[in-house]
Amino acid sequence: NAGVTQTPKFRILKIGQSMTLQCTQDMNHNYMYWYRQDPGMGLKLIYYSVGAGITDKGEVPNGYNVSRSTTEDFPLRLELAAPSQTSVYFCASSLLPGVGQPQHFGDGTRLSIL
Amino acid sequence: LAKTTQPISMDSYEGQEVNITCSHNNIATNDYITWYQQFPSQGPRFIIQGYKTKVTNEVASLFIPADRKSSTLSLPRVSLSDTAVYYCLVGDPNTGGFKTIFGAGTRLFVKA
Repeated sequence: NAGVTQTPKFRILKIGQSMTLQCTQDMNHNYMYWYRQDPGMGLKLIYYSVGAGITDKGEVPNGYNVSRSTTEDFPLRLELAAPSQTSVYFCASSLLPGVGQPQHFGDGTRLSIL
Repeated sequence: LAKTTQPISMDSYEGQEVNITCSHNNIATNDYITWYQQFPSQGPRFIIQGYKTKVTNEVASLFIPADRKSSTLSLPRVSLSDTAVYYCLVGDPNTGGFKTIFGAGTRLFVKA
């Protein structure tokens, strides 16, 4: 029972490079989320999706893009990497929407931009 | 969303009971209280949720007084492996939207 799987676990990028963070879940959840977590801080919502083909911005969407072509996959793309995007990125999914609904998280992608 | 306040950090020793209190003075009628646990190098994990009085599961207990303006997460007989960050969230599970807010949480250090 894999849950939410994120790849890669670690990555170092140069300024201006682009990359895609992969996220897949096997729980058939419609709702998926991308968060970033800076050192010693809480999590900030970047983008979310309510189902295949439907995405929307969260609190800190600038510099990121997402797509949701299937229920299982929700990749996050960085087009022009900047040092401010150095962070740990978490993908999550939930069966139902709403703040009180339990979210299932992956183990994160640690991204450094130099 | 109701604003929550919890201690930045707490220390404990193995075998002790740990109580982490979260204040949420502006909690709304339909809001539930949810706690997550985050181990180093892992994503947060849902551990318990409640609306009022007391909820207990295999991981923790959640105590909510009648006025619901605060809640206490209780971890019985902690071990070194309970060292983690604990987040308190308050929101309506039916209509809260997608603004789940994880603050800085409470960093619990369990010592031998």
